[in-house]
Amino acid sequence: NAGVTQTPKFRILKIGQSMTLQCTQDMNHNYMYWYRQDPGMGLKLIYYSVGAGITDKGEVPNGYNVSRSTTEDFPLRLELAAPSQTSVYFCASSYMEGNSPLHFGNGTRLTVT
Amino acid sequence: AQKITQTQPGMFVQEKEAVTLDCTYDTSDQSYGLFWYKQPSSGEMIFLIYQGSYDEQNATEGRYSLNFQKARKSANLVISASQLGDSAMYFCAMREGQNDYKLSFGAGTTVTVRA
Repeated sequence: NAGVTQTPKFRILKIGQSMTLQCTQDMNHNYMYWYRQDPGMGLKLIYYSVGAGITDKGEVPNGYNVSRSTTEDFPLRLELAAPSQTSVYFCASSYMEGNSPLHFGNGTRLTVT
Repeated sequence: AQKITQTQPGMFVQEKEAVTLDCTYDTSDQSYGLFWYKQPSSGEMIFLIYQGSYDEQNATEGRYSLNFQKARKSANLVISASQLGDSAMYFCAMREGQNDYKLSFGAGTTVTVRA
């Protein structure tokens, strides 16, 4: 049982480049999320999705885009990368129940130089 | 305003002793849930324990227990009989309302267990 799988694990981008962080889950969870974690800090919500075809902004959505064409996949797109986007990115998923924890992927460490 | 506040940036604890990690929260919802996660140095996020706002008993999971004081809006994590493998960052998180499933996280507390 793979759970939540994120690729790549590491990436270095130059300022202005674009990339897509991939996330897929095999638990048939309705909800999926993207968080970013800056060094020594907590997680901040970028975008989330309540099901295929539905996405919504979180706390820090600027500079990012998402799509949810299937239940399993929730890619995060960075357009025109900036040094402020240097962070660790976590994808997560959960059931639609109040006591359901978020299941996290192992993260993508992104550096923009 | 911060929804989750963790005031202890770092703590040291002796092996086999208990440690309490503080978490206070701010919400106007009557229905909410509180979660604790562990993040070891390897970076993954590990779910530890959950407490619902309507739960009458404090949650327990093995060596983890949650000291839930609703009137004070606090949900402190207690780790009993600390082990070296407990050295990690610990995050408190909250889910608000009945139809909102995203979590807001605190800044975390780093725990270092000494032999």
